[in-house]
Amino acid sequence: GQNIDQPTEMTATEGAIVQINCTYQTSGFNGLFWYQQHAGEAPTFLSYNVLDGLEEKGRFSSFLSRSKGYSYLLLKELQMKDSASYLCAVRDRFSGAGSYQLTFGKGTKLSVIP
Amino acid sequence: GAGVSQSPSNKVTEKGKDVELRCDPISGHTALYWYRQSLGQGLEFLIYFQGNSAPDKSGLPSDRFSAERTGGSVSTLTIQRTQQEDSAVYLCASSLLAEETQYFGPGTRLLVL
Repeated sequence: GQNIDQPTEMTATEGAIVQINCTYQTSGFNGLFWYQQHAGEAPTFLSYNVLDGLEEKGRFSSFLSRSKGYSYLLLKELQMKDSASYLCAVRDRFSGAGSYQLTFGKGTKLSVIP
Repeated sequence: GAGVSQSPSNKVTEKGKDVELRCDPISGHTALYWYRQSLGQGLEFLIYFQGNSAPDKSGLPSDRFSAERTGGSVSTLTIQRTQQEDSAVYLCASSLLAEETQYFGPGTRLLVL
């Protein structure tokens, strides 16, 4: 099985930078995803990493180190609308009956304050 | 284009009743997933459909849960003899191909009294 850990809550100031960490343990790593979920809404896709390194997409970047079982999501120039839960999810090629299911962490609730 | 849609958006039912939840995936997406999100918990995988292949049911928590996907498009998740612990948000996701990014619907909030 997999074990995915991320902080439960974080608070940051508008305009600042915040880094949300995720550590995982899996037997057949096949990709890591970050999703954003506003309260009462569906998760929306932010980023995907399968190789080591940094993927940048506008104000959001995601980093992966497969050898360390570690990823982070970096949010720059924080805006109030970035207040949401951020979900780390791992895909394992050995999970299920050959499916591509994701295993999610419990999410990090980010509060952006003025 | 249209995203994943789910109905109903909210469902309140009495313990012991059966419920059906519906998911319409993005048109052309071959893979469809059901997840459950309980309060304070991460999303939990339930079942996966890919084309005409046998579904992966490894995440279904009990035999009260079943799902089908007709014509490779719409899917229905059925919960029989609902229990209070079934109360959760049930999310459906689809992807163009099995290994590609999953896109989620708005979910059905189920409350079992």
